[in-house]
Amino acid sequence: GQNIDQPTEMTATEGAIVQINCTYQTSGFNGLFWYQQHAGEAPTFLSYNVLDGLEEKGRFSSFLSRSKGYSYLLLKELQMKDSASYLCAPLGTDKLIFGTGTRLQVFP
Amino acid sequence: GAGVSQSPSNKVTEKGKDVELRCDPISGHTALYWYRQSLGQGLEFLIYFQGNSAPDKSGLPSDRFSAERTGGSVSTLTIQRTQQEDSAVYLCASSGGPSNEQFFGPGTRLTVL
Repeated sequence: GQNIDQPTEMTATEGAIVQINCTYQTSGFNGLFWYQQHAGEAPTFLSYNVLDGLEEKGRFSSFLSRSKGYSYLLLKELQMKDSASYLCAPLGTDKLIFGTGTRLQVFP
Repeated sequence: GAGVSQSPSNKVTEKGKDVELRCDPISGHTALYWYRQSLGQGLEFLIYFQGNSAPDKSGLPSDRFSAERTGGSVSTLTIQRTQQEDSAVYLCASSGGPSNEQFFGPGTRLTVL
C-alpha cells in the first residue's frame, strides 16, 4: 500500500530551527518532494531528493534515507512568513503521493 | 502565460448540476495533474495526463468525474450531477515530466449547495 506519515501540527519560535519528519511507503520510488502551502494558496516547490543525504538550499534543507523510507525538512532561522503547511510527497511510479501535511505555526 | 492558470477561480452550483473546470498548463509541459483538496486536508490525487493520454485515472472518485486534455495543453475536469461532498478546491499542476517539479495553479474553489 501507500502511506505517508508526518506530524499534523508543530509550533516554533521566530529565529529557531525546526525539523519536520516524514515516513513513507510507496509502490515504486523515484524521489521525494517537499512543498510549502500557505493558507488559501496553492503549494509551491521547496526541494527534491532522489539520492540519500542532505540537500541544502538557503534556510531550508531536506534529507532522505531511501532504505528507511524517511525524510525530513529542516528550517533554520525561522521567520513569521514560514507559518504554512509543509507537504511531504514521495514520487511513486508516475505520480506524487501527498501526505496531509504538517501545519507549522511560528510565534514571535 | 508564465504560470498555470485555472478557471473559474470560484464556482457555486446547485446539487445535481454539471460543472466544468479548466486548466491551462505552462507551455511545453507534457505532464498535467488534477488534485482535490478539502478544507484542512491534504491533496487528493485525481488524474494524471502525459500528453493527451491519461495513464492513471485511479484517483477519480466516481464515474461522475471525467477529464480530458486536448492538443497536449488545456485540460478540463467535468463533474456531473454534483453532490455536496464534491465541494473542495480543485488544483491543477503541470510539469516537464513525472520526476520534475510540479507547478500548481491557483485552484478552483467549488461549492455545491
